[in-house]
Amino acid sequence: GAVVSQHPSRVICKSGTSVKIECRSLDFQATTMFWYRQFPKQSLMLMATSNEGSKATYEQGVEKDKFLINHASLTLSTLTVTSAHPEDSSFYICSARGQGVDYGYTFGSGTRLTVV
Amino acid sequence: TQLLEQSPQFLSIQEGENLTVYCNSSSVFSSLQWYRQEPGEGPVLLVTVVTGGEVKKLKRLTFQFGDARKDSSLHITAAQPGDTGLYLCAGARGQGLAFGKGNQVVVIP
Repeated sequence: GAVVSQHPSRVICKSGTSVKIECRSLDFQATTMFWYRQFPKQSLMLMATSNEGSKATYEQGVEKDKFLINHASLTLSTLTVTSAHPEDSSFYICSARGQGVDYGYTFGSGTRLTVV
Repeated sequence: TQLLEQSPQFLSIQEGENLTVYCNSSSVFSSLQWYRQEPGEGPVLLVTVVTGGEVKKLKRLTFQFGDARKDSSLHITAAQPGDTGLYLCAGARGQGLAFGKGNQVVVIP
């Protein structure tokens, strides 16, 4: 089945630094990738949608200059949290979808970001 | 405003009992998906329901899509400790998915 690898699984960074999270589709080409954020005891909230080779589409309220998304290839998307603050601490999850109507959404295992 | 409302938010039952959790919306969805999420992990797809009134079974799990395609239910028969987890329903929104807050199910041995 379709597999999405997300790395790192956990990261701790200092306030003001930037952190990059990678999301790879291992056995299929992901034409569209999604980034979600999940706070404790909350639902997954869609942050942005990225299509390979084009700019990401951000949901309302998500700062595009703070959460930089790059989808340079059909198997890799990255999310960079710039100038991280403690309130950015959360669980970030990527999802990928391949071509064709039969391709569902496959999720990565998530990244726990802690900003200290 | 939550697009998808899931109830109950938390449910604890004894092993062997049956349970039903619900996912409701005022919006019509072309399809709904159910996922299970373990702590510190991403959601894993259980099933997609597409047709109003559709019933799908996955071993001891039975999923039903409402006739009006606004709601869905998940019924677990003879629950096992391995069924413990957060059950999330999701509906298509744009290219991505809108999720409910989930039903946290705990099955006590």
